[in-house]
Formats: sequence, structure tokens, C-alpha cells
Amino acid sequence: SQQGEEDPQALSIQEGENATMNCSYKTSINNLQWYRQNSGRGLVHLILIRSNEREKHSGRLRVTLDTSKKSSSLLITASRAADTASYFCATDQRNFGNEKLTFGTGTRLTIIP
Amino acid sequence: AAGVIQSPRHLIKEKRETATLKCYPIPRHDTVYWYQQGPGQDPQFLISFYEKMQSDKGSIPDRFSAQQFSDYHSELNMSSLELGDSALYFCASSLRGDSVETQYFGPGTRLLVL
Repeated sequence: SQQGEEDPQALSIQEGENATMNCSYKTSINNLQWYRQNSGRGLVHLILIRSNEREKHSGRLRVTLDTSKKSSSLLITASRAADTASYFCATDQRNFGNEKLTFGTGTRLTIIP
Repeated sequence: AAGVIQSPRHLIKEKRETATLKCYPIPRHDTVYWYQQGPGQDPQFLISFYEKMQSDKGSIPDRFSAQQFSDYHSELNMSSLELGDSALYFCASSLRGDSVETQYFGPGTRLLVL
């Protein structure tokens, strides 16, 4: 069963606007990671946030984690056409005996030039 | 920097045939993971190996097997292929003991079963 669900499933915004994607998960985690995937291609690792962290920044990306609500958000600021892709959150339960990453359903982001 | 290498990148097979997918992890990485991503779906974990031993298993069909070799590359063997096996197959690698153990993904092998 899926660990994570993402919201919204699809998002279209104008270039230059900010995009926010949310992810919810069900069980305790070691860390949460966000990946980007361009149209059926490889998964590119964007950012990792540990379970004891609440916020993390990397360039135009900002990730928050609320373990009490079992949710995370990814904010992309000043969006560009090249940001058009699907974005997945993935949870790692390594400390709980699972090595695998469990992915959310993904958000398909379209940036309109 | 070197990334995860997967071969072949594309593969077309007939039903009931076999297929072998190969994965070469990032140098020094000791753990390999296999994931399957169906059309429009999220990646699903199949199996992982650490130091050539199976370390975790997910929803991998009995028709599939995998192993990790002494040079740490891994192969996913798929037999009696079914139409539903058509998917993108990703390999990822990581270094156990690394502080964050990020999984780095390869470009994937797109398998089409006709």
C-alpha cells in the first residue's frame, strides 16, 4: 500500500510564480526525500529532510516536515519552465527495519511560460 | 560525478520470454535497490541487496529474481514475461553507513512486453 499521498495531483502555474506541493504519509519515518521526474525518465534527488528537522532550504527549494501531522511540503519559488516535471515524496523507514523508499503518488507540475 | 548506470535503456520482449536488466551502482556504493514504475504510477520497491546479500524484499513476483555480484553490480532476471510487466525499472544505489544514505537512481530501463 502507498505510504504517501500527494496533493495536488496536478498543478499548473505561470512562470515566476511559486509552486507548493504537499505530501502525507502514514507511519513513522527516518527521513523524507523529494525527487523530480521528467516525463518517464529517471528520478532526480532534490532534497532530504530528517525526521528531527522541521525545515530545509536548497536554492529555490524549501521543504517543511511536520511529523505530528505526518506531512511535508515542497515549495519551489520563482518557477521556471524547466521545473515542469512530476514531483514525488519518498519516505525512508530505515530505523524501523525497512530499507526501501516508499513513494507518494506524485504531483505533476506544469509551468506555463 | 559517476552516476548509476542501467542497461539496456530500452527493451522489447514477447510474452513468456525472459529479460535481464543490469545495474552498475555508483563507485563505492554497497547497496542496490530495484524499483518498478508502471505507467502513470509511483515507483514500487522490488528488492535490495547489501554486500551481495539480499537485504529487503518488496512486491517482487516469484517470476523475478535478482542478485548482486562481487563487483557490486546487480542483475534483475525476469522470466515468463507478462503484458503487465511493461514498466520502467529503476535501480538505485546508496552507501550504507553514510550519514543520510540517499538513494541515487539510474535512468531506468523501459521494458515493453508485447
